[in-house]
Amino acid sequence: DAMVIQNPRYQVTQFGKPVTLSCSQTLNHNVMYWYQQKSSQAPKLLFHYYDKDFNNEADTPDNFQSRRPNTSFCFLDIRSPGLGDAAMYLCATSHRTSDSDEQFFGPGTRLTVL
Amino acid sequence: GQNIDQPTEMTATEGAIVQINCTYQTSGFNGLFWYQQHAGEAPTFLSYNVLDGLEEKGRFSSFLSRSKGYSYLLLKELQMKDSASYLCAALDSNYQLIWGAGTKLIIKP
Repeated sequence: DAMVIQNPRYQVTQFGKPVTLSCSQTLNHNVMYWYQQKSSQAPKLLFHYYDKDFNNEADTPDNFQSRRPNTSFCFLDIRSPGLGDAAMYLCATSHRTSDSDEQFFGPGTRLTVL
Repeated sequence: GQNIDQPTEMTATEGAIVQINCTYQTSGFNGLFWYQQHAGEAPTFLSYNVLDGLEEKGRFSSFLSRSKGYSYLLLKELQMKDSASYLCAALDSNYQLIWGAGTKLIIKP
């Protein structure tokens, strides 16, 4: 089945220790997104790739970086995680057309910072 | 600015009908999405409206009025498994999704 896969599902890291979250998709979608979602809040877009074009949200901290080495994979790097970075990180993909931009979400990675 | 408003929480009874409202203000508009999100899980797509009117899909229906900046999600024959958060999101002119904070729906027997 075509899908969006995130690994790991649960990640524990120490304060200040770099961590990388991964996302892969078999949908061949041209857009990939990274969201941060904290409890009872809306998903917050961090950045997205439209093909190879990287689009950073203005309020995304420099602590968050992303890589998209090919169409299928996208990584989120948190260089120095703080306690406030504990959240669910959602990867989503879409095939942007003039008719719709439905986003398909992966299961998420729950990050705990100790 | 861009804004999505929806109620924080609603309670309904199993077997009943519930309507979750959403109002939006965005720079440009390319459609409105409803997503369902169970606790600790990722959002899953429910519906997409870009034209005015009602779209029905089984027990769930979604309505859009572009002139009023208003949408609702209607859930019929409620089941316990419908207990979840329902997120309204509008697609702006840059094809960015502007998300509401979600409505937590509690279903009671």
